[in-house]
Amino acid sequence: GIQVEQSPPDLILQEGANSTLRCNFSDSVNNLQWFHQNPWGQLINLFYIPSGTKQNGRLSATTVATERYSLLYISSSQTTDSGVYFCAVVATTNNDMRFGAGTRLTVKP
Amino acid sequence: EAQVTQNPRYLITVTGKKLTVTCSQNMNHEYMSWYRQDPGLGLRQIYYSMNVEVTDKGDVPEGYKVSRKEKRNFPLILESPSPNQTSLYFCASRRQGFLYGYTFGSGTRLTVV
Repeated sequence: GIQVEQSPPDLILQEGANSTLRCNFSDSVNNLQWFHQNPWGQLINLFYIPSGTKQNGRLSATTVATERYSLLYISSSQTTDSGVYFCAVVATTNNDMRFGAGTRLTVKP
Repeated sequence: EAQVTQNPRYLITVTGKKLTVTCSQNMNHEYMSWYRQDPGLGLRQIYYSMNVEVTDKGDVPEGYKVSRKEKRNFPLILESPSPNQTSLYFCASRRQGFLYGYTFGSGTRLTVV
């Protein structure tokens, strides 16, 4: 099945810093989403972005489907951005949503 | 408000005592799915359903059952829970077709002792 790799696995930032999270996938996808899992365990949908670029406030994402990667940018990070960020994809060959292992972000005040 | 609702949010039970985790969505989505999340293993799919009365196994279906009698509901059944089913469970739904993203429930933290 499709493989999803996220990097880096862990990231520690000072408040106000910018960061880029990466998601590589091994096959063509119909669907790609970025989620934030908050400290209470809830999965919050950030972006549905199978291709192109989207922005929502301090967050933006870009997916280059032909090169099989997606990037999540966080600017001017805040302590509330802490948590785990997951990339999840649905391959063109089936209906399963596959998750990467996540990037654990810690933003220090 | 469009949402996926799971109940209960937290559950502690004993080995062998049958339990059901409910999942309901109010968006008329055709596709629903269950995942479990474990430390170091990420989120793995248990079962999914393409529509009413259509279900199929995911990556880790052993020890679980599901049913899809109505479009809005997709309960997860543990007939005889064991400690290795202690996990964080998520239900998700989306509209059929690949132009739509998934919506996840708030999660159910299950502990089997």
